[in-house]
Amino acid sequence: EPEVTQTPSHQVTQMGQEVILRCVPISNHLYFYWYRQILGQKVEFLVSFYNNEISEKSEIFDDQFSVERPDGSNFTLKIRSTKLEDSAMYFCASSETEMTSGNTIYFGEGSWLTVV
Amino acid sequence: SQKIEQNSEALNIQEGKTATLTCNYTNYSPAYLQWYRQDPGRGPVFLLLIRENEKEKRKERLKVTFDTTLKQSLFHITASQPADSATYLCALSGSSNTGKLIFGQGTTLQVKP
Repeated sequence: EPEVTQTPSHQVTQMGQEVILRCVPISNHLYFYWYRQILGQKVEFLVSFYNNEISEKSEIFDDQFSVERPDGSNFTLKIRSTKLEDSAMYFCASSETEMTSGNTIYFGEGSWLTVV
Repeated sequence: SQKIEQNSEALNIQEGKTATLTCNYTNYSPAYLQWYRQDPGRGPVFLLLIRENEKEKRKERLKVTFDTTLKQSLFHITASQPADSATYLCALSGSSNTGKLIFGQGTTLQVKP
């Protein structure tokens, strides 16, 4: 079964450093998303991306964050000047069509980011 | 603000019984309600989606109901098995096509053999 793949699975970074989390969505999917889950808390929406632009972003997704689809297969989340509170599991997800068709979202296994 | 509540206490049941999990929401009128399974350290896995104009949806041993008047969804697993032990997440989305899901905290189900 096709799956969303994410790298790295775990990254430790110094506070203030920049990190890039990478994702390869399912190949025929057109909609891409990033969510995060702080340990013991809810899964939270960060951003959705379609047709090479952001469709919606949450209040969490401020200027510290950016997303990019640099080629036909990868989808990245960049976090600049990381803070301790950015430590979380970051999930990439994708869907074939838009949500209004009731389409489901497929999540990757996550990238665990630890900021020290 | 929008609020989704799931039982924070773990649900412990005996193998073979039916597990029923509850999702309540306030200050929101979702167009879709979804249930996901999440195992420790793993990503959410989609189980079922129900639309606002649907009352019930079934898939194998799973059943979801959606009552927009009560603002509640019930998620049932019949003939539960130890392999069903996991955290189950309720997620809501609106009618826009942005893919934004609002998740509940999740309820942990433990099925004992």
